[in-house]
Amino acid sequence: QQQVKQSPQSLIVQKGGISIINCAYENTAFDYFPWYQQFPGKGPALLIAIRPDVSEKKEGRFTISFNKSAKQFSLHIMDSQPGDSATYFCAASRGKSTFGDGTTLTVKP
Amino acid sequence: NAGVTQTPKFRILKIGQSMTLQCTQDMNHNYMYWYRQDPGMGLKLIYYSVGAGITDKGEVPNGYNVSRSTTEDFPLRLELAAPSQTSVYFCASTPRGRSNEQFFGPGTRLTVL
Repeated sequence: QQQVKQSPQSLIVQKGGISIINCAYENTAFDYFPWYQQFPGKGPALLIAIRPDVSEKKEGRFTISFNKSAKQFSLHIMDSQPGDSATYFCAASRGKSTFGDGTTLTVKP
Repeated sequence: NAGVTQTPKFRILKIGQSMTLQCTQDMNHNYMYWYRQDPGMGLKLIYYSVGAGITDKGEVPNGYNVSRSTTEDFPLRLELAAPSQTSVYFCASTPRGRSNEQFFGPGTRLTVL
């Protein structure tokens, strides 16, 4: 049973465009929803996270939108840059984390 | 702080061999985790520990063992390696009170032939 479903599997965006990655979860007990960024050959690193008591969190060009009733959350990358090319993982956590399968983002110059 | 360090970075094993993947963190974090990452897949939790002397199984523990004798170290033992254990292994840690934000090591790429 996959508790966190992430889409799309891959995404190609032009420089300056908006990248949108979506995740859906099943367990309403989750209380922390982070996004991790992973570059090739490196470990994942926390990018931005949200708790279910807010509907949106913004840090620079990165925004999480959270819909508690739909059990969905998404990552928006504004003004996407080639340096944003990486794999992005969503996760849902209550103590332990359950990860989505990842989205490989390619930003073309 | 070096953060979370893992050794070795790469390893090739023959079927049936054993090895230990080392993980050390210098941030005095209580919680530590071992994940495996298969191509095109997310991270699957193998084992975790909430403190020295306390370990518990994750989602995919079969074929692995762990120990946690100190706060800093959380080694992962593979006994009788199998091709299905070919993967990239990540160790992570989180501090007490922020048990959801995870800090990852650089990973160990293991191939079993």
